[in-house]
Amino acid sequence: AQTVTQSQPEMSVQEAETVTLSCTYDTSESDYYLFWYKQPPSRQMILVIRQEAYKQQNATENRFSVNFQKAAKSFSLKISDSQLGDAAMYFCAYRRWETSGSRLTFGEGTQLTVNP
Amino acid sequence: ETGVTQTPRHLVMGMTNKKSLKCEQHLGHNAMYWYKQSAKKPLELMFVYSLEERVENNSVPSRFSPECPNSSHLFLHLHTLQPEDSALYLCASSQEVGLSYEQYFGPGTRLTVT
Repeated sequence: AQTVTQSQPEMSVQEAETVTLSCTYDTSESDYYLFWYKQPPSRQMILVIRQEAYKQQNATENRFSVNFQKAAKSFSLKISDSQLGDAAMYFCAYRRWETSGSRLTFGEGTQLTVNP
Repeated sequence: ETGVTQTPRHLVMGMTNKKSLKCEQHLGHNAMYWYKQSAKKPLELMFVYSLEERVENNSVPSRFSPECPNSSHLFLHLHTLQPEDSALYLCASSQEVGLSYEQYFGPGTRLTVT
């Protein structure tokens, strides 16, 4: 079974600085997707970025980028120029394929605090 | 705004009550999901509907009963709940095409069982 581990329950960063959130996963599949979701205090789960396992290039979305290390099964999220609005719970998720469709497995989450 | 709405946003119910949670997606997706989010725990997938057919039930107690009358609507009927069922219930939808899919989430219903 696939598992997703986020070893940092809490992280903090100063506004305008850079922070990296860690995620590791376990799978025997060779082709899959990985995601980072953000859940602010409003509880609305928002997709931040996704990575396709067969792509070597790391995904980027504006200030958000990932460091995808397939052999190490590591998928970290880097947030550059942190803003107060980045404060949220961040979830790493692995997408697996079932015969009836796809499923997401989530990590435990990392609570990010942005200090002014 | 993700295109997925949930009502009510907050619900307090006694253990003998019957209530329903509603989810509606305006994205034209063909799969819908119910998740349970408890404090200090990862999101737990409860039910999956694909093309209005339930395709997964992750050992959820029978006091939770899902219903998907069409591809845009999903309900979770609740009855004789326990205090440990208090949690945030999230609905999500996706378009199951090929490998590239994303789940879009609603804002959740905060449920408190007294």
